[in-house]
Amino acid sequence: AQTVTQSQPEMSVQEAETVTLSCTYDTSENNYYLFWYKQPPSRQMILVIRQEAYKQQNATENRFSVNFQKAAKSFSLKISDSQLGDTAMYFCAFMKNTGNQFYFGTGTSLTVIP
Amino acid sequence: GAVVSQHPSRVICKSGTSVKIECRSLDFQATTMFWYRQFPKQSLMLMATSNEGSKATYEQGVEKDKFLINHASLTLSTLTVTSAHPEDSSFYICSAREGGSRYEQYFGPGTRLTVT
Repeated sequence: AQTVTQSQPEMSVQEAETVTLSCTYDTSENNYYLFWYKQPPSRQMILVIRQEAYKQQNATENRFSVNFQKAAKSFSLKISDSQLGDTAMYFCAFMKNTGNQFYFGTGTSLTVIP
Repeated sequence: GAVVSQHPSRVICKSGTSVKIECRSLDFQATTMFWYRQFPKQSLMLMATSNEGSKATYEQGVEKDKFLINHASLTLSTLTVTSAHPEDSSFYICSAREGGSRYEQYFGPGTRLTVT
């Protein structure tokens, strides 16, 4: 079974500062995908960034980047130059390469403070 | 980008009645759709996976006779909560996967169900 753990239920960051959200996972799979989703107050799930496990290079999307450590089964999200609109719940998610089901972590509620 | 809609966005129903929630892929054909349930301040829990033209596959602990899922076309899946009770009150989210996609899924905006 796959499990995803987010150990930080709540975090806050000053506007324009950098924050890192942690995620670890457990799997016996070798090929898989990892995701970070953002869920703002509107509740719409928004894909932030995706990492394919066979790629060693960490994914980057503008202000968002990940630190993917496959051996340690760690997948943290770094948000640079935090903006008020980044305030949301952030979910780390795992997907097998052969399957299409998401396994979500419990989420981290991020608040950006003006 | 791919868009998934849900209707209604909010619904209030009386205990014992049934309510239907629709999930539509607007600009792509969704061979597979997923239904999630989310309680306040909690994560998304997968309820079932449906493939067009086939019976849905339910996750362990989800009552298939209570949560009826129909995926009759490549753009529409419905979730019917039968004989709803207050404990069924929750936020229901669907996602859709396009045929041939390895991992791309698109989420609907969710439906808030309140059973009184």
